[in-house]
Amino acid sequence: SQKIEQNSEALNIQEGKTATLTCNYTNYSPAYLQWYRQDPGRGPVFLLLIRENEKEKRKERLKVTFDTTLKQSLFHITASQPADSATYLCALPPLSGGYNKLIFGAGTRLAVHP
Amino acid sequence: GAVVSQHPSRVICKSGTSVKIECRSLDFQATTMFWYRQFPKQSLMLMATSNEGSKATYEQGVEKDKFLINHASLTLSTLTVTSAHPEDSSFYICSARDSGLTNEKLFFGSGTQLSVL
Repeated sequence: SQKIEQNSEALNIQEGKTATLTCNYTNYSPAYLQWYRQDPGRGPVFLLLIRENEKEKRKERLKVTFDTTLKQSLFHITASQPADSATYLCALPPLSGGYNKLIFGAGTRLAVHP
Repeated sequence: GAVVSQHPSRVICKSGTSVKIECRSLDFQATTMFWYRQFPKQSLMLMATSNEGSKATYEQGVEKDKFLINHASLTLSTLTVTSAHPEDSSFYICSARDSGLTNEKLFFGSGTQLSVL
């Protein structure tokens, strides 16, 4: 069955450093992968989408990589700020079909300290 | 950007009552909306896909008679939790994809925290 794994341990980093979050998946090859940000008590907000034929995507201080051989995506925030503190979720279309659907990982909580 | 409005943001009800949650796409049309549930410190779990003008499709293990979904227009989907019990207490979040766009990203509502006493 499909599995999406994100590090459940919170990531604590110092302001100004680069945060790197990992998303691993098993048992299939998704056409794309997405990253979302979720603040406490709020719905997720879309950040980036990367397709299977793309190795890397950037948006301002964010960078996402997609390694279909390793079945892994890395999400980087450079020059991190306390305002970047949130839970970051990766999401993929389901193995079972339903191209419009998204299945989410459990998320990794990032805390950026001044 | 696209906005999804979800109401109410918080509801407290007695066991056995029914609760309706509304999800509206404010500036775009959504033929498909999705309902998720999230328990504290856990992942979003997809409950069902709401399809405008037709029946919703439910994920395995989700009772369709318990969680009634209606998608009567291109901008409104409702989720009714019938005969709610304490175990239904959770954070419910709706999402929608802009039918006019070809990309796959979802726009989420701000969520509804349901507490059943």
